Amino acid sequence: ELKVEQNPLFLSMQEGKNYTIYCNYSTTSDRLYWYRQDPGKSLESLFVLLSNGAVKQEGRLMASLDTKARLSTLHITAAVHDLSATYFCAGTNTGANSKLTFGKGITLSVRP
Amino acid sequence: NAGVTQTPKFQVLKTGQSMTLQCAQDMNHNSMYWYRQDPGMGLRLIYYSASEGTTDKGEVPNGYNVSRLNKREFSLRLESAAPSQTSVYFCASSPTEINEQFFGPGTRLTVL
Repeated sequence: ELKVEQNPLFLSMQEGKNYTIYCNYSTTSDRLYWYRQDPGKSLESLFVLLSNGAVKQEGRLMASLDTKARLSTLHITAAVHDLSATYFCAGTNTGANSKLTFGKGITLSVRP
Repeated sequence: NAGVTQTPKFQVLKTGQSMTLQCAQDMNHNSMYWYRQDPGMGLRLIYYSASEGTTDKGEVPNGYNVSRLNKREFSLRLESAAPSQTSVYFCASSPTEINEQFFGPGTRLTVL
């Protein structure tokens, strides 16, 4: 059974600095997803990573996938307040009836 | 396109009452899902429907039933609500099981 771990659960970031958050998973996962959730809101899809070495970038966020290490990273460049939110990663089991397994999420707070 | 819609947005129930949460999608997706989100727990899959006419249990199905009414609609029923079912419920859909999921706005349910 796939398990997805995100650490830490909360991260306070200083505006303008760079940070990396991590998503580890326990068994082979076909693909890796990153979602963002603002307080009281729904989940918004950020990235879909389909293969080993995949890298996707959107604005100040860059996500990558290393399937051999079972690790995905989300790199934040020059943090700004608008990036304050909770970020979830999710993986899928291989094979039939695959479904998403979510990590518990990392809440990022950007301070001036 | 409205995407994924859920009704109601908020609901307060007394222990033992029943209710049905409604979900509809207009993206012609095959797969639909029900999750619950509790503080510090991430999202946990309750039930899912890989395609019209099929439903399967997820991680936390006890106390819930689902109906895939047609391709667009997937409802979640609480037959006898318990305080432990106080949560935020999200419906999601995806083109197939292995694709990115799109989430509805959520239903905030309180059981007294």
